[in-house]
Amino acid sequence: GIQVEQSPPDLILQEGANSTLRCNFSDSVNNLQWFHQNPWGQLINLFYIPSGTKQNGRLSATTVATERYSLLYISSSQTTDSGVYFCAVDAYYGNNRLAFGKGNQVVVIP
Amino acid sequence: GAVVSQHPSRVICKSGTSVKIECRSLDFQATTMFWYRQFPKQSLMLMATSNEGSKATYEQGVEKDKFLINHASLTLSTLTVTSAHPEDSSFYICSASTGGPEAFFGQGTRLTVV
Repeated sequence: GIQVEQSPPDLILQEGANSTLRCNFSDSVNNLQWFHQNPWGQLINLFYIPSGTKQNGRLSATTVATERYSLLYISSSQTTDSGVYFCAVDAYYGNNRLAFGKGNQVVVIP
Repeated sequence: GAVVSQHPSRVICKSGTSVKIECRSLDFQATTMFWYRQFPKQSLMLMATSNEGSKATYEQGVEKDKFLINHASLTLSTLTVTSAHPEDSSFYICSASTGGPEAFFGQGTRLTVV
């Protein structure tokens, strides 16, 4: 099956700092999503981004499908950005069965 | 829109008993829902695809007799963990889509078997 690798696995940020999270995937995908899992376990949709660039407030994401990677940018980080960020791609062409990476654990300290 | 609700959020049960977890799409109809399992500090693993009106499709290695899935309506899928044992303790989370590629997740259910 498709492999999804995220880096770095752990990241500690000073409040106000910027960061980049990376997701590499092993095959072509039609679906790529970024999620933020809060401390209570809820997965929050950040971006649906199989290709191109999107921005939402302090967050933005870029997927270069031809090179099989996606980047999530966090700017001016806040303590509420703490949590685990997951990248997920469709495990098989044309459906919503998602394969997840192992996540990026982000801790933002004041 | 696209709200998925899971119940209960937390459950503790005795070893040998069965536990039912509900996943509802509140503002849309979902012919397909998905069940995932997450161990502490690990990733989400897809367990099965729940299909409205037909049998669920299980991923390799998932015991279908242990994890019973019923998708009786377009807004409700249930996962029943039968004869639960401590190794079944985990975080279970469902997802659904509105028909497009984007998946929306429930709040998750933390199951502890004692």
